[in-house]
Amino acid sequence: NAGVTQTPKFQVLKTGQSMTLQCAQDMNHNSMYWYRQDPGMGLRLIYYSASEGTTDKGEVPNGYNVSRLNKREFSLRLESAAPSQTSVYFCASSKQGAFSETQYFGPGTRLLVL
Amino acid sequence: KQEVTQIPAALSVPEGENLVLNCSFTDSAIYNLQWFRQDPGKGLTSLLLIQSSQREQTSGRLNASLDKSSGRSTLYIAASQPGDSATYLCAGDAGNKLTFGGGTRVLVKP
Repeated sequence: NAGVTQTPKFQVLKTGQSMTLQCAQDMNHNSMYWYRQDPGMGLRLIYYSASEGTTDKGEVPNGYNVSRLNKREFSLRLESAAPSQTSVYFCASSKQGAFSETQYFGPGTRLLVL
Repeated sequence: KQEVTQIPAALSVPEGENLVLNCSFTDSAIYNLQWFRQDPGKGLTSLLLIQSSQREQTSGRLNASLDKSSGRSTLYIAASQPGDSATYLCAGDAGNKLTFGGGTRVLVKP
């Protein structure tokens, strides 16, 4: 039982390049989330998926797209990376499809946009 | 809009001392308050979740309280150990998303 896994662990991009961050969970959870963590800003929600087949915007969705590929996988795509997207990205999941319960976090992806 | 604040941003204590970590939030209409631990370069680990109808939760040496009327939550760690060194984050759930505080970085000195 690996919990929540994220790939890659670290990535360097040039401005304008695109990439997809991958996230998978093996806990049969309904809900999945993408956050970014920046110094002095805490964690902020980018997008979430309450259940398979649905996605919703969070607090800072601009510049990102998501895909809930199946119940296990939730990917985050940067179509045209900008230096402001330099951050640590965390994927999380929870069981029942509501925020009012424990979320389980992946180890994070560190992204540097030059 | 919910705002969550954690003061101080950093804290250093000698081993064995009790830790008191503070979290304040602006919107008292929260569904729950969660405490997380984050080790350097790692993800977040959930420690305690207090439902809005509860006043406290306990797990081992950890005890978290919630006072919705004053907009405060406190995490107590009894008899701190060097292994407790980490960043502790609180997050308020207002029904559609978690709002995180900036965290308190704790160092427990042997």
